[in-house]
Amino acid sequence: DGGITQSPKYLFRKEGQNVTLSCEQNLNHDAMYWYRQDPGQGLRLIYYSQIVNDFQKGDIAEGYSVSREKKESFPLTVTSAQKNPTAFYLCASRHRDNEVTEAFFGQGTRLTVV
Amino acid sequence: AQSVAQPEDQVNVAEGNPLTVKCTYSVSGNPYLFWYVQYPNRGLQFLLKYITGDNLVKGSYGFEAEFNKSQTSFHLKKPSALVSDSALYFCAVRDRDNFNKFYFGSGTKLNVKP
Repeated sequence: DGGITQSPKYLFRKEGQNVTLSCEQNLNHDAMYWYRQDPGQGLRLIYYSQIVNDFQKGDIAEGYSVSREKKESFPLTVTSAQKNPTAFYLCASRHRDNEVTEAFFGQGTRLTVV
Repeated sequence: AQSVAQPEDQVNVAEGNPLTVKCTYSVSGNPYLFWYVQYPNRGLQFLLKYITGDNLVKGSYGFEAEFNKSQTSFHLKKPSALVSDSALYFCAVRDRDNFNKFYFGSGTKLNVKP
């Protein structure tokens, strides 16, 4: 089955730790995205990547880092510089060839600082 | 700047009654608009999109949306609500200048009561 897989589903982080959230897709999509979801605020774009080895900051990139070494994979690292990391993180991908295609989302990772 | 607004945090409707979830947009030029649904602790699922053409767009699970250019609205509708429709609904608009950027509304929680 084609789709986007995010892991882990739940993640706990201690103060001062870096953690990495995994996102893998087998849809052969060019573009991949990371969003953060907080209650009542909708989705906010953290980073996106249009092609391998290229990525762009979104609206709330501070305290986060990404890499895109393979087309299928777009991991997100939440660094200790992110002061309020507790949130639900969503990865998405879409076909870049057609400009008006919708995005496909993973099932999300819930990150909690303990 | 592109943006969407969902004026209602929550919509309550009885099963079997019609439902409407409101969305208004602010874009320059012709908008590309989307609706997604999210069930608890899950990713977003695509429902429908408006690109051009007929103002009434039909989507998944019996949902439809009406594009109204003069009112800059894209309301989601369903003739007869089901309890299983209870979820969080997001409206989104694609950025005209950056095809990879989508702006999401804050979400509307739909409660369908038996």
